[in-house]
Amino acid sequence: EIVLAQSPGTLSLSPGERATLSCRASQTVTGFYLAWYQQKPGQTPRLLIYGASSRATGIPDRFSGRSGSGTDFTLIISRLEPEDFAVYYCLQYGSSPLTFGGGTKVEIK
Amino acid sequence: QVQLVESGGALVKPGGSLRLSCAASGFTFSEYFMTWIRQAPGKGLEWISYISSSGNTIYYADSVKGRFTISRDNAKNSLYLHINSLRAEDTAVYYCARGGWGQAPNYWGQGTLVTVSS
Repeated sequence: EIVLAQSPGTLSLSPGERATLSCRASQTVTGFYLAWYQQKPGQTPRLLIYGASSRATGIPDRFSGRSGSGTDFTLIISRLEPEDFAVYYCLQYGSSPLTFGGGTKVEIK
Repeated sequence: QVQLVESGGALVKPGGSLRLSCAASGFTFSEYFMTWIRQAPGKGLEWISYISSSGNTIYYADSVKGRFTISRDNAKNSLYLHINSLRAEDTAVYYCARGGWGQAPNYWGQGTLVTVSS
């Protein structure tokens, strides 16, 4: 099973700042099948990024995904908007069982 | 538009059983993997199971293997999750989602709440 470690657990930033979220896999993620989701309180998770770096339909370009290798993945929010404060999860869907990271909460500083 | 609507969540005693359903519309259901994901109160997301478009390939998380059974009826555009031997730690919102192995789940239902308590 691939274990995904997300860091930091909490990120305290101000609107307009840049957010950098990390997701590190215990093994190579097959096919770079790594997705990022945003979840706000009381809402269903929303797909932001798939294939490590492709934005899902309707996702603003301030969200970007990068991979430095098959095990290190990054979600960048270039300039935080008020609606971006939420919890973010990574998911690897290239190997079974599929696995989620523990999440990063982006909160208002 | 794509819609996924879960149902079947309830308050159940430990050791009980339940069947969750997910009604799909707005896309060709028979062409997609489908997945169940759950979220315990105040906790993160946990992938539970997926089923291939034809139903021939199924996979479960270790935490539910042997107790949960995923199935689908492509003629009815429906996904199911049969849950047996329920435990307190199964208390969660259960989401169905379109996608699975090799396909990032991109559409999710609103979820159905399963509470296991005596």
